[in-house]
Amino acid sequence: EVQLLESGGGLVQPGGSLRLSCAVSGFSFTRYDMAWVRQAPGKGLDWVSSFTVSGDNTYYADSVKGRFTISRDSFKNTLYLQMNSLRADDTAIYYCAGGGHWGQGTLVTVSS
Amino acid sequence: DIQMTQSPSSLSASVGDRVTITCRASQGIRNDLAWFQQRPGKAPKRLIYATSTLQSGVPSRFSGSGSGTEFTLTISSLQPEDFATYYCLQHNDYPRTFGQGTTVEIK
Repeated sequence: EVQLLESGGGLVQPGGSLRLSCAVSGFSFTRYDMAWVRQAPGKGLDWVSSFTVSGDNTYYADSVKGRFTISRDSFKNTLYLQMNSLRADDTAIYYCAGGGHWGQGTLVTVSS
Repeated sequence: DIQMTQSPSSLSASVGDRVTITCRASQGIRNDLAWFQQRPGKAPKRLIYATSTLQSGVPSRFSGSGSGTEFTLTISSLQPEDFATYYCLQHNDYPRTFGQGTTVEIK
């Protein structure tokens, strides 16, 4: 069974940092591009970042470029999102996705 | 950046109705388009990829068509479990971009 399990969300003050993790099981993690997608409360889906299979390239939305870093650990089958300099408008559910599969999401709340 | 314009933003329909949702890309994206369904409080679920390929396990009443800049998701006979929000996504170029979403409500 395919599972993507996000963790690491929580409440953080503006300017703070969090690292999200996405543990993948049930499919070949290194065969697919992986991505983080977020959804602010009551809003639509918003692509955040991708890690590609070919060339280990990384891409970011302009809104997070320079603040967020995507990475993966192939041995642990885990995708990460390091989030620094967090702002109130980063508040959202963060989903991990890849190979057509999605996790259940982890909530990040940025507030003082 | 490629802009995805999805329409309508919402619609009301009855069980058994045929429903069509459209996404228009601001430039050609070949067939690099996927459709997702999101029920309230749940994670999105991919229904269709590469414009018209049905994800394994998705009912055949869902279908996708189009190419270039104009794409369509059709539900041939709406079922109670289909009341949800639907999103298109272009995966032709970065940044990836979603449509604004279409909420299908019960009439």
